[in-house]
Amino acid sequence: ETGVTQSPTHLIKTRGQQVTLRCSSQSGHNTVSWYQQALGQGPQFIFQYYREEENGRGNFPPRFSGLQFPNYSSELNVNALELDDSALYLCASSSGGGPQETQYFGPGTRLLVL
Amino acid sequence: GENVEQHPSTLSVQEGDSAVIKCTYSDSASNYFPWYKQELGKRPQLIIDIRSNVGEKKDQRIAVTLNKTAKHFSLHITETQPEDSAVYFCAASRSGYSTLTFGKGTMLLVSP
Repeated sequence: ETGVTQSPTHLIKTRGQQVTLRCSSQSGHNTVSWYQQALGQGPQFIFQYYREEENGRGNFPPRFSGLQFPNYSSELNVNALELDDSALYLCASSSGGGPQETQYFGPGTRLLVL
Repeated sequence: GENVEQHPSTLSVQEGDSAVIKCTYSDSASNYFPWYKQELGKRPQLIIDIRSNVGEKKDQRIAVTLNKTAKHFSLHITETQPEDSAVYFCAASRSGYSTLTFGKGTMLLVSP
């Protein structure tokens, strides 16, 4: 198992609410990427943080936002939740600012929006 | 942007048989191709990766081949075992970009 942890493991919210998901990166890693994995699909890139700065963003609306702390842990915030936001949210940590370094995934947070 | 197609979506084999999963990518500048295994309810785990400067890489029962001209790469698992049963994802990326683009996954079922 990797040293990447995520909290909470499961979450139930209603439409319109806001949610914050957390990720602790593996020791020695300064980069955190966030992915959304819908049921039966591959992970889709949301954004990446490298040394506390956003370092790339996928095709997700601005209500998906994030930040990275000095210890390189990260948060994903989603505002105005929609039913389609129901998914497994994965974070992955790596060293360096690009995907060429191996990305190690956390166990994920399963979000259900009712 | 990059688009990764993965086939087949499901694959059933008998224990001991070989399994092959194929992926194609659209961006000719992509140069890094990892494969992840995801067991039910668990996190994706990297099993092997290949960079565009090599055509083949092997790790015990697992191998990956890359054809840059045709823009496709494949995962080969030999002597399959029931514990190989999982969903396998291919992905692609290129230097200077932070995105890993994943395929939709292949559910591999190895029957004893």
